[in-house]
Amino acid sequence: RKEVEQDPGPFNVPEGATVAFNCTYSNSASQSFFWYRQDCRKEPKLLMSVYSSGNEDGRFTAQLNRASQYISLLIRDSKLSDSATYLCVVNGDSSNTGKLIFGQGTTLQVKP
Amino acid sequence: DGGITQSPKYLFRKEGQNVTLSCEQNLNHDAMYWYRQDPGQGLRLIYYSQIVNDFQKGDIAEGYSVSREKKESFPLTVTSAQKNPTAFYLCASSARTEAFFGQGTRLTVV
Repeated sequence: RKEVEQDPGPFNVPEGATVAFNCTYSNSASQSFFWYRQDCRKEPKLLMSVYSSGNEDGRFTAQLNRASQYISLLIRDSKLSDSATYLCVVNGDSSNTGKLIFGQGTTLQVKP
Repeated sequence: DGGITQSPKYLFRKEGQNVTLSCEQNLNHDAMYWYRQDPGQGLRLIYYSQIVNDFQKGDIAEGYSVSREKKESFPLTVTSAQKNPTAFYLCASSARTEAFFGQGTRLTVV
């Protein structure tokens, strides 16, 4: 089993749609969780951190479910500019000192 | 400006040659990482370092070597033992929270 798993997609949605991505992780001792966005041929950039209580940033909402070991990202009112690959990232080290593990990424295509 | 810099952006090498990719950060981060990304794939961890003069192998360390003599620098050498070195290489640094990435180096071996 991979340490961090994501559905690679692609997810093809129309503008204005709501889309959700899930990510599962295998190390129950993981402490930190993030969503990154990567545009084609560019470096990943932090989209948002994921907290146990859940967090929201505009149209984006991230949730963490420790019991089931998954995190989610919800995008509301999708824009064309949201088209990208979304990477789930988990701090895989139980002592929280490093070793960030990336999922394969989920590709989102927003269509007009 | 603070940040993380990788050089060069594009690199071409002949098969059988060693090549070193540069990564420098002025963010005062303790942790630094090297990832490899192949087309349509996610990031795979090559090596990471949590402190100067110490580093650990990631999932695909074979054929690569690193050093961490200074906090700011974490160069990656792609050796001739790496069977399929053509890829996009990303360096990152972290202060035990989120990671910040350099712009990457595209290595092509011909």
